[in-house]
Amino acid sequence: AQKITQTQPGMFVQEKEAVTLDCTYDTSDPSYGLFWYKQPSSGEMIFLIYQGSYDQQNATEGRYSLNFQKARKSANLVISASQLGDSAMYFCAMREGNKLVFGAGTILRVKS
Amino acid sequence: DTAVSQTPKYLVTQMGNDKSIKCEQNLGHDTMYWYKQDSKKFLKIMFSYNNKELIINETVPNRFSPKSPDKAHLNLHINSLELGDSAVYFCASSGGQYNQPQHFGDGTRLSIL
Repeated sequence: AQKITQTQPGMFVQEKEAVTLDCTYDTSDPSYGLFWYKQPSSGEMIFLIYQGSYDQQNATEGRYSLNFQKARKSANLVISASQLGDSAMYFCAMREGNKLVFGAGTILRVKS
Repeated sequence: DTAVSQTPKYLVTQMGNDKSIKCEQNLGHDTMYWYKQDSKKFLKIMFSYNNKELIINETVPNRFSPKSPDKAHLNLHINSLELGDSAVYFCASSGGQYNQPQHFGDGTRLSIL
């Protein structure tokens, strides 16, 4: 059973606008962690933001924030004020024990 | 100062050959991982070592053999390479706390001719 679902294979956003990348997850464990990674065309995996299941507030890191809705099991990434350099593949992942389980990813293209 | 470094970055070889990928981390982490990213960009865990001991082995063919000589190094040896082994292989490491992210190397692109 797929544990992390990213329903948007590709997204476009206009430069300077905000964009939301969707992620839903499935787990019966009350304690879990959710991560977002960015993979630019150069191929490296860059950690962006973390949300713990017991965190009371939505995580924020600079222009990145998480819209965490625990009851809906969703952890959407919001990128504000998009920049051309944000064009990349974005992965949502859930920590399951010692490993990360990844979604299929969303390709984001920022238009000038 | 590269945190997680893996070599080589590119590996082109023929079917049937044996090859190794090396990984080193200087973050002081206890846990290291190998992930495989296929042509559709899907990432999947292969192995995990904690302080030199194997803790995850995700139904990977036994042609793949990880080796961890110490907790800063995790190498991946692949025997009898097959066309389906073509992929990008990522090494990663993480600390012990649950909320700590995994730090990835830049990946090794393996192409089988």
